[in-house]
Amino acid sequence: GENVEQHPSTLSVQEGDSAVIKCTYSDSASNYFPWYKQELGKRPQLIIDIRSNVGEKKDQRIAVTLNKTAKHFSLHITETQPEDSAVYFCAASLDSYKLIFGSGTRLLVRP
Amino acid sequence: EAQVTQNPRYLITVTGKKLTVTCSQNMNHEYMSWYRQDPGLGLRQIYYSMNVEVTDKGDVPEGYKVSRKEKRNFPLILESPSPNQTSLYFCASSLVAGGLYQETQYFGPGTRLLVL
Repeated sequence: GENVEQHPSTLSVQEGDSAVIKCTYSDSASNYFPWYKQELGKRPQLIIDIRSNVGEKKDQRIAVTLNKTAKHFSLHITETQPEDSAVYFCAASLDSYKLIFGSGTRLLVRP
Repeated sequence: EAQVTQNPRYLITVTGKKLTVTCSQNMNHEYMSWYRQDPGLGLRQIYYSMNVEVTDKGDVPEGYKVSRKEKRNFPLILESPSPNQTSLYFCASSLVAGGLYQETQYFGPGTRLLVL
């Protein structure tokens, strides 16, 4: 089955700097890669996603890149702000039923 | 307001005492799913449902049951809870199932369960 590895497990950046979180997946048939943000005590919420027919997607300060050959995808947050502090989860899906999550990255943005 | 709700939000119980966590969505979503979240392990899928009366196992189904008798509800049943089922549980739903791609999943607020 699919396996998703996420790095780093914790990331601390200065406000205004960029943050990059990386994930690798095992099944080359996976075709959908969402990123979820979970603030302390809250539910996960989708922040951006990408499908396998696209290499990059941007939404204001966040972007996701996908390298199908290497089977990895990354979340990029530019101009980080304290409210970006949260746990971020990547996930991969190879059909419309199962979603396999990474183990999460705790991002701390220092003011 | 479009939402996914779960009840209870917090539950302390003892080993072996059957319990049910309810999940309800008001968005007419076909797909519903249960996850458990444990430190360092991310979210792991327990069961999912593609539509009424259609359910299937996720990655960690042992010790859990589900049912989908109505489109809006997807309860999670622990027939004989054990301490290793202490966890944070999330229900999620998405509009459709069966397409080429996964649809965006909307999560409930979570249920924190402690089994003594």
